[in-house]
Amino acid sequence: GAGVSQSPSNKVTEKGKDVELRCDPISGHTALYWYRQRLGQGLEFLIYFQGNSAPDKSGLPSDRFSAERTGESVSTLTIQRTQQEDSAVYLCASSTSVVNIQYFGAGTRLSVL
Amino acid sequence: AQTVTQSQPEMSVQEAETVTLSCTYDTSESNYYLFWYKQPPSRQMILVIRQEAYKQQNATENRFSVNFQKAAKSFSLKISDSQLGDTAMYFCAFMMAYSGAGSYQLTFGKGTKLSVIP
Repeated sequence: GAGVSQSPSNKVTEKGKDVELRCDPISGHTALYWYRQRLGQGLEFLIYFQGNSAPDKSGLPSDRFSAERTGESVSTLTIQRTQQEDSAVYLCASSTSVVNIQYFGAGTRLSVL
Repeated sequence: AQTVTQSQPEMSVQEAETVTLSCTYDTSESNYYLFWYKQPPSRQMILVIRQEAYKQQNATENRFSVNFQKAAKSFSLKISDSQLGDTAMYFCAFMMAYSGAGSYQLTFGKGTKLSVIP
């Protein structure tokens, strides 16, 4: 596609429920990144995928967070047993392996009630 | 670990005037990249400008330019002829320039909210 696409745009859930956030990267981009942006803060790195290599999960805040990516296509970020502190905007970015410019989607705003 | 500090939470500028946003960073690395991203209310992060640390020449992109002071670890953004569409959050970000664990992560400051006043 022309840009990074994320869905849903907004998600409201109840504490304790599981949620799935989707990211569709720019076609041809081998690298994919997830970031979290809490209200009034900068972005925090969560996870990185590069082609078929093992992902770097070092930024995931707890074992309730997981992400998958099949090849160089869509990625899904899953948050299990959501807590109120998980409320944030979750941003996805993609890049080529050659140029280190990350292109971002519009994010998913997650609200945990 | 790298840190990025933006000391101006909010700024305002009159339309057509010039404004400078500050950014300082801390790293022990000698080779890295610095970025300014813009985040309008639509939430999408848009790259404004990129600087490679090994280049002494300051990067420019149309009305946007940077003042990169490597020794001082300072990376300010100057916006000339400010336009209403420049109203947004601006984030300074750092990335290491080697291939290795964590090298691809962007480390962000907390942002500066810029308002352009008509």
